[in-house]
Amino acid sequence: DVKVTQSSRYLVKRTGEKVFLECVQDMDHENMFWYRQDPGLGLRLIYFSYDVKMKEKGDIPEGYSVSREKKERFSLILESASTNQTSMYLCASSPGQSPGTQYFGPGTRLTVL
Amino acid sequence: DQQVKQNSPSLSVQEGRISILNCDYTNSMFDYFLWYKKYPAEGPTFLISISSIKDKNEDGRFTVFLNKSAKHLSLHIVPSQPGDSAVYFCAASAKFWARSNYKLTFGKGTLLTVNP
Repeated sequence: DVKVTQSSRYLVKRTGEKVFLECVQDMDHENMFWYRQDPGLGLRLIYFSYDVKMKEKGDIPEGYSVSREKKERFSLILESASTNQTSMYLCASSPGQSPGTQYFGPGTRLTVL
Repeated sequence: DQQVKQNSPSLSVQEGRISILNCDYTNSMFDYFLWYKKYPAEGPTFLISISSIKDKNEDGRFTVFLNKSAKHLSLHIVPSQPGDSAVYFCAASAKFWARSNYKLTFGKGTLLTVNP
């Protein structure tokens, strides 16, 4: 089974803090993704990566950056957390040349106070 | 501009009956479609998919229908069970965009409640 793990299930941070969310997949997938899920807005893509050290902006990249130094690990960074970044963050991975099936981690519920 | 639309935020059905979840898309480049199911406090799990070369795909109690001319797909669950209660997301991908074939575009989701 594909396994995607995220470093924390719940996280509480203060405004202005730097926040790191980590994601690890164990299936040697080329592609990794970060989404946020908010009520009434569905899943929105923040960033994705199709190879080590490669990244592309998704639909809502503002306020976020990412890092992919190893194939299995994809980190999402909030440089200076703000209250409007309170959300559920979901990481996903998929094999290269896949038509689209992505496998998701359990999510991190981030609250910024 | 919302390219994948799920116009019903919620749906309630009785156990044993059919659940029909609908999804519309606007981008004619989409050629692969997926349904995901999500329980609260968990990540979405892949349910079923369909390629644009087909108009139907079946997996047990779940069937997805695709009507390309109408840019519409639907997920049928028969018979519905209380454990099916979850948020269902429709997603679409375009196979031949440079790099974008790795991206999915999601709808906003439909909350299905199956009552015992």
